[in-house]
Amino acid sequence: DGGITQSPKYLFRKEGQNVTLSCEQNLNHDAMYWYRQDPGQGLRLIYYSQIVNDFQKGDIAEGYSVSREKKESFPLTVTSAQKNPTAFYLCASSPRDRSEQYFGPGTRLTVT
Amino acid sequence: GENVEQHPSTLSVQEGDSAVIKCTYSDSASNYFPWYKQELGKRPQLIIDIRSNVGEKKDQRIAVTLNKTAKHFSLHITETQPEDSAVYFCAASKSGGGADGLTFGKGTHLIIQP
Repeated sequence: DGGITQSPKYLFRKEGQNVTLSCEQNLNHDAMYWYRQDPGQGLRLIYYSQIVNDFQKGDIAEGYSVSREKKESFPLTVTSAQKNPTAFYLCASSPRDRSEQYFGPGTRLTVT
Repeated sequence: GENVEQHPSTLSVQEGDSAVIKCTYSDSASNYFPWYKQELGKRPQLIIDIRSNVGEKKDQRIAVTLNKTAKHFSLHITETQPEDSAVYFCAASKSGGGADGLTFGKGTHLIIQP
């Protein structure tokens, strides 16, 4: 999982601003995922992508958008439409035809 | 969609004793069940997983059991050590190679008492 990077580690934004979180992997994994984690909660799936130029909504996609223009990159945009954006955001990836998902270090987003 | 319930939310055991965390899932099509360990402020780390064609899997002090009929699976940690203190998450997926997302339980905070 050392091959998955997320930046920045901490991010602060004002309410009403869009913000983009970076996720890069050099593991040659085909699938990539975004999860959100709130205190005392499990991880919830926002979006996932199995191949380049294709992605699917997860359980809580409203207020978020993604792109997958390159295999190694899967950025997440938190839009102003997301009502409660403050959370810990985790990116993950998995190899083709495998179920195991490996996580990046996360980005803690605070919106005030 | 899938729903995963995890119990207990907090578990305190004496060092050296065993710990058991239980999860149930709702979708009988789920066929992949990983367990993750997360230390404070860190990323979740995959510690063990099991697929639906297997009833039990063991890796040193950690084991996972799966009961497909009852739709529940459990994590067993024997001879607990201080470094086992963390939050543990169970999850379920229908992927089987399709690389779908995971549905997570809400986590168990395991505390190892010295």
